[in-house]
Amino acid sequence: NAGVTQTPKFQVLKTGQSMTLQCAQDMNHEYMSWYRQDPGMGLRLIHYSVGAGITDQGEVPNGYNVSRSTTEDFPLRLLSAAPSQTSVYFCASSYAGAGTQYFGPGTRLLVL
Amino acid sequence: LAKTTQPISMDSYEGQEVNITCSHNNIATNDYITWYQQFPSQGPRFIIQGYKTKVTNEVASLFIPADRKSSTLSLPRVSLSDTAVYYCLVVQGAGNNRKLIWGLGTSLAVNP
Repeated sequence: NAGVTQTPKFQVLKTGQSMTLQCAQDMNHEYMSWYRQDPGMGLRLIHYSVGAGITDQGEVPNGYNVSRSTTEDFPLRLLSAAPSQTSVYFCASSYAGAGTQYFGPGTRLLVL
Repeated sequence: LAKTTQPISMDSYEGQEVNITCSHNNIATNDYITWYQQFPSQGPRFIIQGYKTKVTNEVASLFIPADRKSSTLSLPRVSLSDTAVYYCLVVQGAGNNRKLIWGLGTSLAVNP
């Protein structure tokens, strides 16, 4: 199993550009989520999904969109990038309930 | 909603036992306590999870007192490779109602 994969590993954007961060898992997990990690602020939940076709907002959803058309994939879209979105983004997946979360390797995003 | 509080940083030496305590005052009856480890440029990795009393696995122990208002991650005989950030997580509810309450992380430095 590849586990949780994320692409790209690193991306530079200009203010106002849009892009999609990809996340895929091959463990048939129902629960997937996106976090951003900034120095001193820990992990903050952006959006999450409890299954295909179901998504919900987390703690810091503004400026981001998600969709979950399949169990495996959970892309995160930045609609119009802003410097405040410079961060490291992690995707995670788990079974429902108190299941162990498996994290991807992260995407480092720099918005100029 | 529970709030998780943990020390920002800790220092230790090789061979010592390290105990990291997390406070979670408003924890509910069915909430679980989980700890993750994160190395630089990697996603967090599950270490251990517990509900009450003591849980032990091959890498750590988790102590949870009867009132469950705190928990202590114990790392026996640390080595340099244990230098990482350790996150406390309270998992509330399940399925569509699951909430994840992350601490801000404890940066552990193990010195030779």
